[in-house]
Amino acid sequence: EVQLVQSGGGLVKPGGSLRLSCAVSGLTFNNAWMSWVRQAPGKGLEWVGHIKSKTNGGTTDYAAPVKGRFLVSRDDSKNTLYLQMNSLKTEDTAVYYCAPDSSGWSYFDYWGQGTLVTVSS
Amino acid sequence: DIQVTQSPSSLSASVGDRVTFTCRASQSVSTYLNWYQQKPGKAPKLLIYAASTLQSGVPLRFSGSGSGTHFTLTISSLQPEDFATYYCQQSFSTPRTFGPGTRVEIK
Repeated sequence: EVQLVQSGGGLVKPGGSLRLSCAVSGLTFNNAWMSWVRQAPGKGLEWVGHIKSKTNGGTTDYAAPVKGRFLVSRDDSKNTLYLQMNSLKTEDTAVYYCAPDSSGWSYFDYWGQGTLVTVSS
Repeated sequence: DIQVTQSPSSLSASVGDRVTFTCRASQSVSTYLNWYQQKPGKAPKLLIYAASTLQSGVPLRFSGSGSGTHFTLTISSLQPEDFATYYCQQSFSTPRTFGPGTRVEIK
């Protein structure tokens, strides 16, 4: 059974930083491309970014609103995905989900439980 | 970036109705189009991937079609548990954009 257990959310002031974690089990993590998706209160889903497997170069891509501020990384020895969020803005307030990109079609069939990040003074 | 739009933004329907939602991409995504259902306070649930492939365990009343820039999701007979918000998402290129969603409400 695939499980994604997230941690690290909370309240942070504008301009601050926060790191989210996503511990993965039940799949071959080192082969998986991993994404972060967020959802602001009452709003739709927004893809944040992803990291490819190391065999595919381990490179990252980001959505425009977070590029240069957020960093997706992975520790394959710990089967864990990270999202380092810097220079946070009030508009980054959202529930953040981690999810593996499944197969060559890159759909999200497994999701973490979500973690709330609130950016407020 | 590929933009994704959905219509309608919301609809009211009754149990047993046949409902169809539309998703359009700003440029061709081939069949790299996925559909999700989300209920309040829950993570999204994958319904359809690759435009028309039903995810394992998803009821047969759900079906998807389309290719290129125009896609549809159909629920053949709406059930009480289907009242939710439905999102499409293109996975042809990054950023992997989602549509704004279609909310299905009880008439």
